[in-house]
Amino acid sequence: AQSVTQPDIHITVSEGASLELRCNYSYGATPYLFWYVQSPGQGLQLLLKYFSGDTLVQGIKGFEAEFKRSQSSFNLRKPSVHWSDAAEYFCAVGPPYNNNDMRFGAGTRLTVKP
Amino acid sequence: KAGVTQTPRYLIKTRGQQVTLSCSPISGHRSVSWYQQTPGQGLQFLFEYFSETQRNKGNFPGRFSGRQFSNSRSEMNVSTLELGDSALYLCASEEGPTNEQFFGPGTRLTVL
Repeated sequence: AQSVTQPDIHITVSEGASLELRCNYSYGATPYLFWYVQSPGQGLQLLLKYFSGDTLVQGIKGFEAEFKRSQSSFNLRKPSVHWSDAAEYFCAVGPPYNNNDMRFGAGTRLTVKP
Repeated sequence: KAGVTQTPRYLIKTRGQQVTLSCSPISGHRSVSWYQQTPGQGLQFLFEYFSETQRNKGNFPGRFSGRQFSNSRSEMNVSTLELGDSALYLCASEEGPTNEQFFGPGTRLTVL
């Protein structure tokens, strides 16, 4: 069965520092991969997605993610964090053309220090 | 286009009552999915509707049900509420088979 692991429950970085949020998945084939962000009291906003092709994916708000098949990972990165990036980040996986079995990681809460 | 809207945003109920939540998808989107988000269980898939038909259902008891109307708006109903049903209920809509879901702000349900 597919599953998603986000090893870091909480990460604190200083404003201006680089960020990497980890995501590992377990799936029989290459799934569709997503990163979402959730601000307090809000719904989820899609940051980026990977379906196929170039393994380095650019998203909104300056985020990017790299799909590494050999490591079953899809880590999210940002070169310079802004205070407004403080939020919870969710990695998700789903089978192609079938979102009814989409699985979410437990989330990583990001705190940004001034 | 307007985003996904959910009503009400906040709801307080007591055990044993029932509740109906509403979701209006982005115009043109035919698929609506529902998720429950709790601190303990995280985000869990409830069910998905497409063209008024339930396409799949997650692992939730029969107290959780839903429907979709011809205009793609969807409702979710929870009967005989339990304390553990307190959660943020998120609705997401999707235009087609791209798995790119757009989420609404959610309905915060508190069961006392």
